[in-house]
Formats: sequence, C-alpha cells, structure tokens
Amino acid sequence: EPEVTQTPSHQVTQMGQEVILRCVPISNHLYFYWYRQILGQKVEFLVSFYNNEISEKSEIFDDQFSVERPDGSNFTLKIRSTKLEDSAMYFCASSGTQRGSDYGYTFGSGTRLTVV
Amino acid sequence: KQEVTQIPAALSVPEGENLVLNCSFTDSAIYNLQWFRQDPGKGLTSLLLIQSSQREQTSGRLNASLDKSSGRSTLYIAASQPGDSATYLCATMNTGFQKLVFGTGTRLLVSP
Repeated sequence: EPEVTQTPSHQVTQMGQEVILRCVPISNHLYFYWYRQILGQKVEFLVSFYNNEISEKSEIFDDQFSVERPDGSNFTLKIRSTKLEDSAMYFCASSGTQRGSDYGYTFGSGTRLTVV
Repeated sequence: KQEVTQIPAALSVPEGENLVLNCSFTDSAIYNLQWFRQDPGKGLTSLLLIQSSQREQTSGRLNASLDKSSGRSTLYIAASQPGDSATYLCATMNTGFQKLVFGTGTRLLVSP
C-alpha cells in the first residue's frame, strides 16, 4: 500500500536553529499538507500546498515557517528560527483530490521535533 | 469556528465487547468527516471517510455514522480485540476549507 514517508523520525535542535522536515508524499497525489501535534494536545492544521503554492494556512503558520516542493517527490517544512514551543510531532499528509474526497488523507508517521 | 469534541476521553473494555465512540461538531456545514487511528508515538491511519451526503460507512468490524443536522458521528467497533487498542480521532473538513479539524480523541484499551 502506498505510504507517505517522513524523515527524520526524531530531531533535536537548539533554540534559534533552522530545521527542515522532509516528506515524500504518495507519488500520484497532488495536494500536500503539514499538521502538528503538541504533546497531549489536538492535531492542528498548519498548511496546505497545491500546484507549487500555499492554498491555505493557519494562524500558526507565520513567517517562521515555509514549505517547498524542491523536486518532483519531496515536500519540506522549514522552521527558520526554532522556539521551545515548536516542540511537537509534525505530520505530513497527501491526498489525490482537493478535499480528500477520494479515499481521504494519507498521513506519514511523523517527525518528533524537540527544541532545547 | 469549528470545534470537534470526542467522548469519552478514555475507554477500557474487555475483549469481545461491542463499543461506540462519539464525535460531535459545532458547525454542520461539513464537506466530510474522517475517523483515524493513532498508535502511541505513531502517525495517523485513516479508518473511514464519510462524505456529507452519506449516512454511514463500513469497513470490516468498523461502522461510522454521520448525522450532520445534529452535529454527530459515531464509530462502532464490533467484537473488540486487544489489537484495537489505540487513540481514535475524528476530524471534519468544512465546506470552503481544505483543512481537517481534529477532536481530542478517545483512548481505547481492550484487555484480553
């Protein structure tokens, strides 16, 4: 079964450092997303991406965050200057249609980001 | 602003029981609703997707229903097994948006 792959599975970084979280979505999917889950809290939407553009973003997704699809397979989330409160599990997801109306979303297994 | 609530927050049952997990949402203008399973420290596995025009979806021992007008969905698990132990999340997508709004989840423990 097709998978969304995320690397690394766990990253520890110092406050103020830049981090890049990487994702390989399902190959024929066109819509890509990042979500995060702070420990013990709800999964929260960050951003959606289609046709090389951000199509929707949340209030959390401020200027410290950016997304990119640098080639035909990878989808990345960059945090420019990490803060302690950025510590969370970050999930990448993809879907074949705009609202996941085919078989819904496929999520990756996440990257646990720890900012120290 | 959509708010999604799940009750109970935790549930512990013996193996073999049938059980119901509840999800409620405040804004009935949803495009679809999706149930996910999350194992500790792991990603989200999609279980069932219900479009707004549908009343229910079934997959194996799982059945999810949707009542848009009352803002509710239920996930029914038949003949529960220890392997069903996980956190179950429901999430809605509202009309006009692409994001999923998640509930806080129900942590299920099925004991042998």
